[in-house]
Amino acid sequence: AQKVTQAQTEISVVEKEDVTLDCVYETRDTTYYLFWYKQPPSGELVFLIRRNSFDEQNEISGRYSWNFQKSTSSFNFTITASQVVDSAVYFCALRSFGNEKLTFGTGTRLTIIP
Amino acid sequence: GAGVSQTPSNKVTEKGKYVELRCDPISGHTALYWYRQSLGQGPEFLIYFQGTGAADDSGLPNDRFFAVRPEGSVSTLKIQRTERGDSAVYLCASSLRLDGSDTQYFGPGTRLTVL
Repeated sequence: AQKVTQAQTEISVVEKEDVTLDCVYETRDTTYYLFWYKQPPSGELVFLIRRNSFDEQNEISGRYSWNFQKSTSSFNFTITASQVVDSAVYFCALRSFGNEKLTFGTGTRLTIIP
Repeated sequence: GAGVSQTPSNKVTEKGKYVELRCDPISGHTALYWYRQSLGQGPEFLIYFQGTGAADDSGLPNDRFFAVRPEGSVSTLKIQRTERGDSAVYLCASSLRLDGSDTQYFGPGTRLTVL
């Protein structure tokens, strides 16, 4: 069985602070893919990143960065110099090779205070 | 290009009624997925199509739920004898091909309220 845990239900930070959203996953598969999606108040899930299980390189995209560590089954997401537009619910998700289902965590609601 | 579109954006119905929810995938995407998102939860998988056929319907909660994709593009999720517990946001996603690494792109969802 697969499982994604996002232990932080809600986080609030003041604008310009850095914030890290945690994601821990469970799977018995050796090949899998990890995703982060953003769900702003409008409701649409916006794709942010996909990582393959065989590529543990960290990734940076502008103010966003991701830390993938297989040893701890974690795929954490950091926003630096947060902005009010970053306020949203963020979901981490897992998909195994050959299985088309995305398994989502329960999400972390991030509020950036101006 | 256009993203995934879903209609209606909101649907209010009475318990026991029949509803249809429509999804238009991104042009050229052969795989289509339905998920259901309850308040405060992450999306939960319902069914996915590769082309016209339902390749995996293991997430459908019971036989009141059915989905079709007759021409391999637009899909309709059908719910019979709706119950209050069916109230949720129904999300549709599509991807370019059936591949374990593929990324699913989501539509805005249909918010279903069963009174």
